[in-house]
Amino acid sequence: EPEVTQTPSHQVTQMGQEVILRCVPISNHLYFYWYRQILGQKVEFLVSFYNNEISEKSEIFDDQFSVERPDGSNFTLKIRSTKLEDSAMYFCASSGQGRTGELFFGEGSRLTVL
Amino acid sequence: AQSVTQLDSHVSVSEGTPVLLRCNYSSSYSPSLFWYVQHPNKGLQLLLKYTSAATLVKGINGFEAEFKKSETSFHLTKPSAHMSDAAEYFCVVSYTGTASKLTFGTGTRLQVTL
Repeated sequence: EPEVTQTPSHQVTQMGQEVILRCVPISNHLYFYWYRQILGQKVEFLVSFYNNEISEKSEIFDDQFSVERPDGSNFTLKIRSTKLEDSAMYFCASSGQGRTGELFFGEGSRLTVL
Repeated sequence: AQSVTQLDSHVSVSEGTPVLLRCNYSSSYSPSLFWYVQHPNKGLQLLLKYTSAATLVKGINGFEAEFKKSETSFHLTKPSAHMSDAAEYFCVVSYTGTASKLTFGTGTRLQVTL
């Protein structure tokens, strides 16, 4: 069964360092998303991406964050200068349809900022 | 703003007994409602979704949920719990008519005992 894969599963970094989280969405999907879950809190929407551009983003997704689909298969989330509060589980998701389509989530990448 | 409330952070049932996980949403025109499950160290998996078709929705693994507009509820039920049902369950709402920008509840941890 097709699935969304994320790497790394866990990354530890120092505050101020750049981090790139990688995702391989399901191959025929067109819509891509990042969500995050800070420990003990709700899963929160970060950004959605369609047709090589951001279609929607939350207020969490500030200038420190960027997304890219560099090669037609990967979908990346970059955090330019990590802060302690960026420590969270980051989930990538993809969908074949934008409207009421099912989101398929990856297993998540746990980011720990020290 | 859209919101969803999961009334129980933790539910414990015995194997073979019914499961009820409660969810209320803030009232709005035509919400789409979902239940996702997260097993330990796994991604978020869609259990079922409501998108203004039948109010009783059947999902995977014997789960179902009923959309009750008058009560603004979307409770998840299963007639007989299995040990493998132990996981975190998330009630999710979208008012945008798209699968993007989902709003998650805080989650209910289901424990199943022998």
